[in-house]
Amino acid sequence: SQQGEEDPQALSIQEGENATMNCSYKTSINNLQWYRQNSGRGLVHLILIRSNEREKHSGRLRVTLDTSKKSSSLLITASRAADTASYFCATRNRDDKIIFGKGTRLHILP
Amino acid sequence: NAGVTQTPKFQVLKTGQSMTLQCAQDMNHNSMYWYRQDPGMGLRLIYYSASEGTTDKGEVPNGYNVSRLNKREFSLRLESAAPSQTSVYFCASRWTGGAANVLTFGAGSRLTVL
Repeated sequence: SQQGEEDPQALSIQEGENATMNCSYKTSINNLQWYRQNSGRGLVHLILIRSNEREKHSGRLRVTLDTSKKSSSLLITASRAADTASYFCATRNRDDKIIFGKGTRLHILP
Repeated sequence: NAGVTQTPKFQVLKTGQSMTLQCAQDMNHNSMYWYRQDPGMGLRLIYYSASEGTTDKGEVPNGYNVSRLNKREFSLRLESAAPSQTSVYFCASRWTGGAANVLTFGAGSRLTVL
C-alpha cells in the first residue's frame, strides 16, 4: 500500500488565493518531499523537510511536518496559473525506499 | 547534461510479448528507481537499486525484473506483458552522498499492452 495519502484529491481556487494540500503517512521517515507534475511530464522536486524539522520555506512554498501525527502540509501562496499541476508527497524510509502518495490535482482558475 | 534518459517513450505490445525499458543517468547518482503511474493511483514503486550491484523490490514488483547494469543504467523488463501493465513508467535517480538527496525523474515511457 502507498505510504503517503494526499488530501484533497482535487482542488480548484482562484488565481491569487492560497492553496493548501495535506499528506499523511504511515511509518517512521527520514524525510518528506513534495514534487510537482505538469500534465504529461515527469515529476519535479519542490521542497524537502527532514524528520527533525517542523517548518520550511522556499519562495511561495511553505511546508510543515508533524511527526507525531504523521502528517505534512504544503502551502502555495498567491497562486498563479502556472501552479496548475498535480502535487505529490513522498517519504523516504531507512531502507532507501521512496514511496509516493496518490497526489492532489490543483487547478488555478483565472 | 541530459539528466535521466528513458527509452522508448512510447511502446505498444501484445499480451505475452516481452520488452525492456531502458534508463540511463549521467549525474553519477548512486540510487535508481522504477515507478509506474496509473490514473488515480499516483506513483507506485516497482523496484529500486540503492547502489550498483544491488536491487530490491518495491510496492508492486510482480511481473517485472530489473538489472542494474552499471552505475549509469537501470533497466526494467517485462517478460510476458499483461494488459494490467498498461501504464506510464518513470525512472528516477538520486545521489545519496549529501543531505538534500532528492529524485531526478526521466520524462516517462508510455506502455500499452493489448
